[in-house]
Amino acid sequence: QQQVRQSPQSLTVWEGETAILNCSYEDSTFDYFPWYWQFPRESPALLIAIRPVSNKKEDGRFTIFFNKREKKLSLHITDSQPGDSATYFCAAQNNYAQGLTFGLGTRVSVFP
Amino acid sequence: GALVYQYPRRTICKSGTSMRMECQAVGFQATSVAWYRQSPQKTFELIALSTVNSAIKYEQNFTQEKFPISHPNLSFSSMTVLNAYLEDRGLYLCGARDWGSSAETLYFGSGTRLTVL
Repeated sequence: QQQVRQSPQSLTVWEGETAILNCSYEDSTFDYFPWYWQFPRESPALLIAIRPVSNKKEDGRFTIFFNKREKKLSLHITDSQPGDSATYFCAAQNNYAQGLTFGLGTRVSVFP
Repeated sequence: GALVYQYPRRTICKSGTSMRMECQAVGFQATSVAWYRQSPQKTFELIALSTVNSAIKYEQNFTQEKFPISHPNLSFSSMTVLNAYLEDRGLYLCGARDWGSSAETLYFGSGTRLTVL
């Protein structure tokens, strides 16, 4: 069973629109949720992360909204740019495992 | 800043042979190193988690006999893929973190893309 689920699998938006990427998880002991983005032929890089003590984390055009009760979170990309086109991975971790569990990713395409 | 160098970037090996990949942390202490595999059309599978001075923990479907890992100090880790076959193809990533610090970020190396002929 996939511990971290992402939707949609792929997403296309026009430049300037807001892209919304969804993520949900099963394990209630997860306490750290980073989002990574990966460009073609590159390794993933940390984009933004949140801990459950907050329900929102903002960094420029990227915002995470977190709902601990429903075990859901979403990444909003406002004023999307063509350079934001990448695959975005939601990940989760708890203190005990130390390793990250990744979702299957959402491929975002931003057209000018 | 924190950097993780991983090499080789890509490698091709014959079926049944072995290949080794290495990971070097620069600018921080890699007390914890996680090795992942990203197969075509799949997400990142955690192979094993290595913490200095602790036993290496392998995930289900991955074994030390197939993927032996060395983590001798706070800046270096290596993993070997023994007897590689087609199903071992993919992008192998090392992710390193200074677990003892307040930093939670897992820094990834550039990856080693393995092709098996």
